[in-house]
Amino acid sequence: GEQVEQLPSSLIVQEGASVLINCSYTDSASVYFPWYKQEPGKRLQFIIDIRSNMERKQTQRLTLLFDKKTKHLSLHITATQPGDSAIYFCSATNSGTYQRFGTGTKLQVVP
Amino acid sequence: EAAVTQSPRSKVAVTGGKVTLSCHQTNNHDYMYWYRQDTGHGLRLIHYSYVADSTEKGDIPDGYKASRPSQENFSLILELASLSQTAVYFCASSSNTGQLYFGEGSKLTVL
Repeated sequence: GEQVEQLPSSLIVQEGASVLINCSYTDSASVYFPWYKQEPGKRLQFIIDIRSNMERKQTQRLTLLFDKKTKHLSLHITATQPGDSAIYFCSATNSGTYQRFGTGTKLQVVP
Repeated sequence: EAAVTQSPRSKVAVTGGKVTLSCHQTNNHDYMYWYRQDTGHGLRLIHYSYVADSTEKGDIPDGYKASRPSQENFSLILELASLSQTAVYFCASSSNTGQLYFGEGSKLTVL
């Protein structure tokens, strides 16, 4: 079945810096890639998604890049704030099954 | 606002006891899911359902049963709780191809 990997597993950055979270998947049939954010002790919340017919999607300070050939995604967060501190999860699904998640990237933004 | 509510939010159970985790959604979504979250493993799917009175196995169904008596309600049942089932459990709902809406999680400790 689909395997989703994320790197790095954790990172600490200074407020205002940019970060890059990488995600790779194995199933070439996967077509939909949502990302979620989980603040400490909270539920996961959807932040951005991309479909396999797109290469790039941007919303506010988030940019999601997708490379179908290499089965790789990158989430770029600019101008980080302490409120961005959370665990970020990528997931993947084909149209007929459920979403499988990566192991998460714990981001800590320090003032 | 999409709403998924779980109960109980926290529970301590004894080994060999029966545990039922309940989930209720008001999103009018057909799909509902139970995920388990463990440190280092991200989220792993236990069971899911796409219609009332029917459930499907996810990636880690052993030791768990599920029940979907109505579109709004989805339960996860541990008939004989074991130490290895100590985890945080998340319920989620979705439309056919969209993002997941998560509940706040149920922290289960098996002693």
